[in-house]
Amino acid sequence: GAVVSQHPSWVICKSGTSVKIECRSLDFQATTMFWYRQFPKQSLMLMATSNEGSKATYEQGVEKDKFLINHASLTLSTLTVTSAHPEDSSFYICSAKASTSGKVTGELFFGEGSRLTVL
Amino acid sequence: RKEVEQDPGPFNVPEGATVAFNCTYSNSASQSFFWYRQDCRKEPKLLMSVYSSGNEDGRFTAQLNRASQYISLLIRDSKLSDSATYLCVVNTGFQKLVFGTGTRLLVSP
Repeated sequence: GAVVSQHPSWVICKSGTSVKIECRSLDFQATTMFWYRQFPKQSLMLMATSNEGSKATYEQGVEKDKFLINHASLTLSTLTVTSAHPEDSSFYICSAKASTSGKVTGELFFGEGSRLTVL
Repeated sequence: RKEVEQDPGPFNVPEGATVAFNCTYSNSASQSFFWYRQDCRKEPKLLMSVYSSGNEDGRFTAQLNRASQYISLLIRDSKLSDSATYLCVVNTGFQKLVFGTGTRLLVSP
């Protein structure tokens, strides 16, 4: 089945530094990827929709200058948390929409998630 | 009102029990519906899609009532390995998924 790989799976950083998280679709192309954030005991919240070759679409309340998204190729999207602060500590998960032979399936495939801890 | 609401649980059931989870959604234009399973500190994984006619996959049965904007998941003959958080997920359009907070299930021996 389709596989989405996320890296790193766990990162600890100091307050004020920037952290980049990568999301790769390993065996399919994804023109659209999604970035979610999940705080403990809460639901996944969509942060932004990443579109290959164009600007990401951010959800209301998500700072685009703080959470930089780049979708430079059909298999890679990156999320950079700039000037991270302790309140940014969370579980960040990406997902990708699979398309095969031009047809879009109904399923989204999720990366393994990246747990960010900002000290 | 939350877009997708679920009872957070936890539901504590013995092995072999039947358990049902409910979910309501607020956007009547929602297009498709899913149940995902999430294990602790892991990514969510698709359990099953939910169709208007109802659908079954082994011990799992999903139902959708569009008029009431209500989705359900029934698990029969619970196994220890079913212990997880079950997320009700609604696609409101353009693959934008809205997740419920999840219902935690604990199956005990």
